[in-house]
Amino acid sequence: EAQVTQNPRYLITVTGKKLTVTCSQNMNHEYMSWYRQDPGLGLRQIYYSMNVEVTDKGDVPEGYKVSRKEKRNFPLILESPSPNQTSLYFCASSLEGWDSPLHFGNGTRLTVT
Amino acid sequence: GENVEQHPSTLSVQEGDSAVIKCTYSDSASNYFPWYKQELGKRPQLIIDIRSNVGEKKDQRIAVTLNKTAKHFSLHITETQPEDSAVYFCAASKTGGYQKVTFGTGTKLQVIP
Repeated sequence: EAQVTQNPRYLITVTGKKLTVTCSQNMNHEYMSWYRQDPGLGLRQIYYSMNVEVTDKGDVPEGYKVSRKEKRNFPLILESPSPNQTSLYFCASSLEGWDSPLHFGNGTRLTVT
Repeated sequence: GENVEQHPSTLSVQEGDSAVIKCTYSDSASNYFPWYKQELGKRPQLIIDIRSNVGEKKDQRIAVTLNKTAKHFSLHITETQPEDSAVYFCAASKTGGYQKVTFGTGTKLQVIP
């Protein structure tokens, strides 16, 4: 089944403890991206990648890192999480670029205390 | 950069009535306008999209219209059903590598049986 898989679904952590949210897609998509969803603010792009080893900042990149060592994987790294990073996170991929449909993962609800 | 405004933020309709959600965008170079539906606790999923070379697109009870001159596009749902209750997001993007997808802030649609 074609899908984008995110893990974990739920994560509770403490301020400053490094964490990684994994994202993997099996559709051979070139483009992958991360979003955070907050009430009243919609979906905001954190980072995106157009291909292996090609990544760039989105609208809200502060406090996040990403890597794209393989085409299928695009992990989101929070080196030192803070409470303002408590949010719902979605990974997404698309086949032909930003002017084509996004396929979203199931989401990761992160709470930083 | 691109700015997408979406209205209304909440919308309640009686079952069988029509619902209209409107979005405006700021970047005249944007050429792809998707709509995503997010049911409670689930991932956003594409329901319909339109490109800038088309003025209207229809898929059963759902239609999208685009006015490039005024830089706005709208989602129309006819004969609403309870299963249409969800949060709907509009988005805008354009062709090209180093681009981003900009989402509206979402509309929570409630269809009252």
